[in-house]
This record gives sequence, C-alpha cells and structure tokens, in this order.
Amino acid sequence: GAGVSQSPSNKVTEKGKDVELRCDPISGHTALYWYRQRLGQGLEFLIYFQGNSAPDKSGLPSDRFSAERTGESVSTLTIQRTQQEDSAVYLCASSETAQEHYEQYFGPGTRLTVT
Amino acid sequence: AQKVTQAQTEISVVEKEDVTLDCVYETRDTTYYLFWYKQPPSGELVFLIRRNSFDEQNEISGRYSWNFQKSTSSFNFTITASQVVDSAVYFCALRRTSGTYKYIFGTGTRLKVLA
Repeated sequence: GAGVSQSPSNKVTEKGKDVELRCDPISGHTALYWYRQRLGQGLEFLIYFQGNSAPDKSGLPSDRFSAERTGESVSTLTIQRTQQEDSAVYLCASSETAQEHYEQYFGPGTRLTVT
Repeated sequence: AQKVTQAQTEISVVEKEDVTLDCVYETRDTTYYLFWYKQPPSGELVFLIRRNSFDEQNEISGRYSWNFQKSTSSFNFTITASQVVDSAVYFCALRRTSGTYKYIFGTGTRLKVLA
C-alpha cells in the first residue's frame, strides 16, 4: 500500500515569506507527527495529532509555526515569515494510533531552504 | 525531563567488523518505550526495533542485536559482521507509555562501513 507522502519534496523561499508543507499519512492511521531535522542533526519533535484529541504542540519553536489536520487525513505545517534558521528537512510520520506502541512510518521529507 | 544521548557522532568500520552504537536515556517514568531507527542515505527513516521497559531481555534479529539495561539506562545496538549496506545514520528514541506520546530522539550516530 501507499506510504506516507509529503509535498513539495523541495521548497526554496525568500526570507519573510510564508510556506505550507503537506503530509498525507497512511490511510487509517490516526496518529500523525511532524519533526524538523536540521542538517546533520537529530529529529526535533514539533507536533503530533491523535484522532480528535487536542494536538500536542509543545515542540513548536515559535508562534510562526502552526499545523492543522483535517480529520484523520491530510496535515499541513505552516511557517509564517520564514527565517534562515527555519532551513531544514521537515519530516512527517504516521502510526495506527499514538496510544499504543505502533511503529511510526516516515515520509521522505520536505527540504526547506530559506534564502 | 526526558533525554536521549548518542555520544558517538560518527563511527567508521571495515566491512565484517562488529560495531556497537550506544544509547543512553533519561526519564523519570517507570514505564516507557525505546526505539531504534535507521536513516539510510536515501533519507527515509526505517523502524528497527521497539522495546518496552518491562522487558529487559536482549533481542537478536539476524546480524542485529540490542542490549537493554535499565540499571545503566542504556539501550545499545550491535551490528555483527557489518556490511556496506549498513551505512546510515542510526537514531535512538524514547517515548512515554501514557500522557504525551511524543518521541524524543537522540542526535544520531552516523555509521560508515568501508569495503
């Protein structure tokens, strides 16, 4: 079956512009996670959604970052007024549910470059 | 606070050598999950193993083995008879069993297996 997909795969934007990154999870997966991975660094948790529960936004680095999820499907991560420090690969992952210890399936990521 | 430390930034070995990747974690929880993920050069993270804190049995899967020791808060990963295809970045991660289900990742260890 289809895995997690993300679009665009690459995004170059000018400092100060807004960007939207999209994640399509595996069908039926109720949990969806966003991570940021700066060059040569580990994964930094941003936010996760679990079904209709309130998302855990504790990892969002500033109020310029926000994310939405429509039901149990597509999610968008929005970065407003982008800064050069936002340059990174943004990874999305989904799992059957967050409560249980189901493995996360990762997408290929969106590489964001802010010039 | 929860934390995962992978002190080895990069390791190089010659093919067929055994190699151990270290992972040390910190948590105040009595129950938790530990994970290892592999990120090959292609970029997509791949799940390798999950271990819950109840079970300290070591696990072996082919050339891979994991040594979980609660007493030292370590969850080390050994590759026996390494192969060039094992070259990747390996991440250790920690997650709670209740409350928030966000994953805390280490900074990763880059393994280079030379032919």
